[in-house]
Amino acid sequence: AQSVAQPEDQVNVAEGNPLTVKCTYSVSGNPYLFWYVQYPNRGLQFLLKYITGDNLVKGSYGFEAEFNKSQTSFHLKKPSALVSDSALYFCAVRDTGSTLGRLYFGRGTQLTVWP
Amino acid sequence: GAVVSQHPSRVICKSGTSVKIECRSLDFQATTMFWYRQFPKQSLMLMATSNEGSKATYEQGVEKDKFLINHASLTLSTLTVTSAHPEDSSFYICSAHNTGTANSPLHFGNGTRLTVT
Repeated sequence: AQSVAQPEDQVNVAEGNPLTVKCTYSVSGNPYLFWYVQYPNRGLQFLLKYITGDNLVKGSYGFEAEFNKSQTSFHLKKPSALVSDSALYFCAVRDTGSTLGRLYFGRGTQLTVWP
Repeated sequence: GAVVSQHPSRVICKSGTSVKIECRSLDFQATTMFWYRQFPKQSLMLMATSNEGSKATYEQGVEKDKFLINHASLTLSTLTVTSAHPEDSSFYICSAHNTGTANSPLHFGNGTRLTVT
């Protein structure tokens, strides 16, 4: 079975500081991993994905994520946080064994960046 | 980029009435769409997988007679909440996968805030 864990409900950082939002995964085969961001009362916006290739994936709005197979992690990072980055972030893994496209989501991490 | 349109964005209805939510893929075809429900400050809960031209697949614990799903074309899926009650109040989000591209991300609608009074 596929699953994703986001160990932190809340991450707080000061503007300009680097940020990390953690994610670990469990899959039976090769992982297809995604990060999404959600602003209040909105749907999810795609940030980046890892399918294969380089372990460091660059995405939208200056975000990047590092795939670590040995640690089964896919942490989201940004070198310098902005107040506008404050939102709810979801890590997700794709189920490669059944319905194409189905995602399993972590519980989400609320990121707050203060000025 | 790929866009999924969800309508309405917000709806208030009286208990016992039915509400229909539409999900459209605007610039791609989607054989499969997904309907999620999200409670405040919680993750997304998959309700059902909508398959074009066939019956939806519901997750365990989701009442198929209460949450009717129709996927009549490759660009439109609808979710109808029948005989709505206050406990159905929630944020409903649809998503779609571009059938023509392998390993593409899911694209999400902006969600529908349903309030049942």
